[in-house]
Amino acid sequence: EVQLVESGGGLVQPGGSLRLSCAASGFTVSTNYLHWVRQAPGKGLEWVSVIYSGGSIYYADSVKGRFTISRDNSKNTVFLQMNSLRAEDTAVYYCARAMTAVPYFDFWGQGTLVTVSS
Amino acid sequence: EIVMTQSPATLSVSPGERATLSCRASQSVGGNLAWYQQKPGQAPRLLIYGASIRATGIPARFSGSASGTEFTLTISILQSEDSAVYYCQQYNNWPRNSFGGGTKVEIK
Repeated sequence: EVQLVESGGGLVQPGGSLRLSCAASGFTVSTNYLHWVRQAPGKGLEWVSVIYSGGSIYYADSVKGRFTISRDNSKNTVFLQMNSLRAEDTAVYYCARAMTAVPYFDFWGQGTLVTVSS
Repeated sequence: EIVMTQSPATLSVSPGERATLSCRASQSVGGNLAWYQQKPGQAPRLLIYGASIRATGIPARFSGSASGTEFTLTISILQSEDSAVYYCQQYNNWPRNSFGGGTKVEIK
């Protein structure tokens, strides 16, 4: 059974950092395309970043230079390092899988809440 | 940047009736469009991709269609469990992709 389990969310002050994890089971992250998608409270969905099976990485303009996506194949886990956090980064962060480079997402994790506030 | 506009914001439909949700793209996205269903407190679930292809396990009452930059999700016979927010997503210039603002389907 395919599962994605996010962790690492919490309350952080503006300018702070946080590292999110997405542990996968039922498939191999290194042969799939793993994305992060966020949803601000009561708002819609916003794509954040992707790491391809071949290792290519892409970011939304809103997080470029502040967020870093990576993966650990031995742990079958994808990470999102978030630096220089802003209030507008407050959201539930979902990890989502695409089976090809075409980014529609067939499996999602349950999400982890990140709150940026002083 | 491609902007996706969904309408209406809220749709109230009686069980057994048809629900028609619209999504308009600000420029051509071809058939590169997906629909998701999100229930309160849950992650989104993929319903449709390629504008009209049902994802695995999705009931046949959900269907998608396209005409130019206008896309439609139809729920042919609405059931109580279909109460949710529905989002469209374009992925024409992947990996970049963007979502519409959502349509909330309420059961009368």
